[in-house]
Amino acid sequence: SQQGEEDPQALSIQEGENATMNCSYKTSINNLQWYRQNSGRGLVHLILIRSNEREKHSGRLRVTLDTSKKSSSLLITASRAADTASYFCATDLNQAGTALIFGKGTTLSVSS
Amino acid sequence: GAGVSQTPSNKVTEKGKYVELRCDPISGHTALYWYRQSLGQGPEFLIYFQGTGAADDSGLPNDRFFAVRPEGSVSTLKIQRTERGDSAVYLCASSSHGGSYNEQFFGPGTRLTVL
Repeated sequence: SQQGEEDPQALSIQEGENATMNCSYKTSINNLQWYRQNSGRGLVHLILIRSNEREKHSGRLRVTLDTSKKSSSLLITASRAADTASYFCATDLNQAGTALIFGKGTTLSVSS
Repeated sequence: GAGVSQTPSNKVTEKGKYVELRCDPISGHTALYWYRQSLGQGPEFLIYFQGTGAADDSGLPNDRFFAVRPEGSVSTLKIQRTERGDSAVYLCASSSHGGSYNEQFFGPGTRLTVL
């Protein structure tokens, strides 16, 4: 089963535009993480936001977390062609944090 | 090496055969995870090691799947009597220690195709 569900499933934008992806989850969490995956292979960690945080920034990335709505958003500003990838949100499988549960991902396509 | 490595990168086998997939975690990382990713899906948890022991194997789909990490470093995922439904990308990840708030570093994966 998958905890997180990303929305939209696919997003196509032009270089320079902003891209917003959303993630909803079902149960309480310790933290929520966003990962990027290129070409269907290894994932790269982007950012981790703790349950007591509401917003976090890293370079062109901005993540928000609303625990009351059980949702998170990832904003990529001034997108580039190199941002083309699949983006996944992930939450803890359990309180012990022994693994992550991933959503199905959002496929972002940035055209130049 | 600097990152998590996995071998082979691709494995094609026939239904009913036995396969072994290898993962070399980042040196010094005590936590190691195996995930499976089917086309169009996110990674799905299989098993988690803390040191040499499997601390959580609740994601293994059935008893045809087994994993070991005898010296607390390299891990091998073993699949017996492979089925076509086992075809997927098998991802390995490691982190400095287990538990929440730890970034997991993923390897490039092994693409398993069962004919």
